[in-house]
Amino acid sequence: GAVVSQHPSWVICKSGTSVKIECRSLDFQATTMFWYRQFPKQSLMLMATSNEGSKATYEQGVEKDKFLINHASLTLSTLTVTSAHPEDSSFYICSAAGDNGYTFGSGTRLTVV
Amino acid sequence: LAKTTQPISMDSYEGQEVNITCSHNNIATNDYITWYQQFPSQGPRFIIQGYKTKVTNEVASLFIPADRKSSTLSLPRVSLSDTAVYYCLVAPILTGGGNKLTFGTGTQLKVEL
Repeated sequence: GAVVSQHPSWVICKSGTSVKIECRSLDFQATTMFWYRQFPKQSLMLMATSNEGSKATYEQGVEKDKFLINHASLTLSTLTVTSAHPEDSSFYICSAAGDNGYTFGSGTRLTVV
Repeated sequence: LAKTTQPISMDSYEGQEVNITCSHNNIATNDYITWYQQFPSQGPRFIIQGYKTKVTNEVASLFIPADRKSSTLSLPRVSLSDTAVYYCLVAPILTGGGNKLTFGTGTQLKVEL
């Protein structure tokens, strides 16, 4: 079946630094990828939708300059959390949309100290 | 996008059948119903998908009435390892391109001995 690889699975960074999270569709092409954020005991919140070769569409309240999304190819999307702060600590999950539906990555636990 | 409503939590015991119902009164003609399972610190995992009537696979059954305004995920003979959050989502099937996949609250299923 469709597989989405997300790296890293966890990362700890210092406040003020930037962190890049990668999301790859391994065996299918994904025209569209989605990025979610999930806080403890809460549901997944959609942050942005990225289409290959075009600018991402951000949900209301999500700062596009802070959460940079690049979808340079049909199999790779990246999310960069810039100038991270402790309140950005969360579980980030990507999803890739293919012909058979949506497949999710395993998530990235970001801790900003 | 059709909004979904599920019970926040359910408790069960090993060996029992669990039925989780989801309401989606505003489902559109081209929407499919998909259920995902999520364990802590992992991405959602596809369980089952259907459009109408009944769908069964090796892990679950999905019952959809004729009006499609609700659906019921049935887990036969649950075990401790089925303790997870279960999400019901309603969205069009993709054929290239993408539609936003929005998560509701999900149902926390707790299975005990």
